[in-house]
Amino acid sequence: KAGVTQTPRYLIKTRGQQVTLSCSPISGHRSVSWYQQTPGQGLQFLFEYFSETQRNKGNFPGRFSGRQFSNSRSEMNVSTLELGDSALYLCASSFTWDTQYFGPGTRLTVL
Amino acid sequence: AQRVTQPEKLLSVFKGAPVELKCNYSYSGSPELFWYVQYSRQRLQLLLRHISRESIKGFTADLNKGETSFHLKKPFAQEEDSAMYYCALRADGGGSNYKLTFGKGTLLTVNP
Repeated sequence: KAGVTQTPRYLIKTRGQQVTLSCSPISGHRSVSWYQQTPGQGLQFLFEYFSETQRNKGNFPGRFSGRQFSNSRSEMNVSTLELGDSALYLCASSFTWDTQYFGPGTRLTVL
Repeated sequence: AQRVTQPEKLLSVFKGAPVELKCNYSYSGSPELFWYVQYSRQRLQLLLRHISRESIKGFTADLNKGETSFHLKKPFAQEEDSAMYYCALRADGGGSNYKLTFGKGTLLTVNP
């Protein structure tokens, strides 16, 4: 069974730009969650989507948004990028909430 | 607000020695607790969840509601256990908005 894939793997943007990250879950998984990982703040939960609906949300500003498509693929968008948005963004897919499989992450660098 | 504390950033033990990675949480409701592990150059993966009471790779963790702890234990550490370990709490942040809160992680090194 193919694992969770994330594209792109690396991204460099400048302040003020916006970025879209993509996550393809394991086949049959309807839940996709997104996380931000930084050296200072560690792992932080962004949001979770289930069957195209945002089900849960972390404490991030509205610049961070996401969506999920009918095939369960998910995208995360960050608008008006700030230097502090530089991070590894992880997504995870699951069939039931308590068993998550993580992707390799997208490394975003904001200059 | 929920919080997860892993008091040790680094933990070093010798092969064959017992290991305990500490995790304390702060949450007034009924928690769901997890341990995740990230081996070098590998993806983050779920190690175990308290609700299943499973033993994975020889690791166990018991939820102690009185002490609000969920420490991860293994009686005999192996070199392949060297990794970063994260404790996480899934809880209702209000309005049935369930959030997963992670601790800062403990880097375990098992020396030969």
